[in-house]
Amino acid sequence: KAGVTQTPRYLIKTRGQQVTLSCSPISGHRSVSWYQQTPGQGLQFLFEYFSETQRNKGNFPGRFSGRQFSNSRSEMNVSTLELGDSALYLCASRTRQGPGDEQYFGPGTRLTVT
Amino acid sequence: AQSVAQPEDQVNVAEGNPLTVKCTYSVSGNPYLFWYVQYPNRGLQFLLKYITGDNLVKGSYGFEAEFNKSQTSFHLKKPSALVSDSALYFCAVRLPYGNNRLAFGKGNQVVVIP
Repeated sequence: KAGVTQTPRYLIKTRGQQVTLSCSPISGHRSVSWYQQTPGQGLQFLFEYFSETQRNKGNFPGRFSGRQFSNSRSEMNVSTLELGDSALYLCASRTRQGPGDEQYFGPGTRLTVT
Repeated sequence: AQSVAQPEDQVNVAEGNPLTVKCTYSVSGNPYLFWYVQYPNRGLQFLLKYITGDNLVKGSYGFEAEFNKSQTSFHLKKPSALVSDSALYFCAVRLPYGNNRLAFGKGNQVVVIP
């Protein structure tokens, strides 16, 4: 099976712009989660989608949003970018059969805001 | 609230020696526990998990972890470390109820010295 894929892998944006990141989960996985990873804050949960519905949301401002499509692919959007949004954004998928199922991560999108 | 503590920032070990990466959790109820590893410029890879049953869990690449409920710990171990085990290791906990959010520790950098 193909793993979780994320596009693009690297992105450079300017403050004030917006950005959209894409994630394709493992085939058959219906849950997609997004995380922000920075050296200072570590791994922080952004949100989780299942069956096109947001099921969980972390403590991030409304500038961070996401959606999931009927084929389980997901996108994450950040509007009005700030320097502090520079991070590695990781997407993870799981089958959602239960809380014990592990997540599988993509390689991430490295976002740099200048 | 759920939290995971990985008390050491970096673990140095000589190649061939036993490797231990410590993790303690602070949650109510019976948690589901996970270990992930991250290599440079890569996403997280699942190593192993504890849901219920035997306190010693075996995972990928020769790693194992011991669940200790009384000490609320889930330490990761490997009998004989390899240079290729040098990476960032994350412990995570998910509650079996509620929002099922996965909470990560801050990570431990493991350096295996040849």
